[in-house]
Amino acid sequence: GEDVEQSLFLSVREGDSSVINCTYTDSSSTYLYWYKQEPGAGLQLLTYIFSNMDMKQDQRLTVLLNKKDKHLSLRIADTQTGDSAIYFCAENGRGSGGYQKVTFGTGTKLQVIP
Amino acid sequence: NAGVTQTPKFRVLKTGQSMTLLCAQDMNHEYMYWYRQDPGMGLRLIHYSVGEGTTAKGEVPDGYNVSRLKKQNFLLGLESAAPSQTSVYFCASSRGVTNTGELFFGEGSRLTVL
Repeated sequence: GEDVEQSLFLSVREGDSSVINCTYTDSSSTYLYWYKQEPGAGLQLLTYIFSNMDMKQDQRLTVLLNKKDKHLSLRIADTQTGDSAIYFCAENGRGSGGYQKVTFGTGTKLQVIP
Repeated sequence: NAGVTQTPKFRVLKTGQSMTLLCAQDMNHEYMYWYRQDPGMGLRLIHYSVGEGTTAKGEVPDGYNVSRLKKQNFLLGLESAAPSQTSVYFCASSRGVTNTGELFFGEGSRLTVL
């Protein structure tokens, strides 16, 4: 079955780069996502990458995809205190009934130290 | 736009009581989902719906029922609450499989079962 794994916690200093890693198992995933959850709120899509891409850059965010190793990473440049949140990796596949099935990782809590 | 709205936001129940969580979306989305979020376990899918009048089981459906009588509403019911159902519940919606698959989340409903 599908499984998405990521480390639970990451601590960085303000201004440094943060790298959050994720491994997934479903090779048929068409999209892979990074969602951000701020305290007391729901998840919001931060960025996504199509499965035929290796890299996607969006301002301070860089997503790298290694399909061979089924490894996804999110790099946040110049990390700010406002980046403190839980980051979820997720993959998009098809459930047994053909529905859109999104499988989430456990989430990585990013703590930014001023 | 309101997006996805969940009610109530907080609730405390005694074991054996019943309750219903309401999710409403104003984006005309076909797909709707109920997830629960527990520490260290990420988001787990309880039930989902691919359209008005249809529902299906997710990963952890036991102890829950759902209904989708109207396209914009997705209800999650607990018939006889148990302490194991203490969690934060998130509703989400999406357009379905024909696009990037972005999920739009509500702000969550925190349920405590004593």
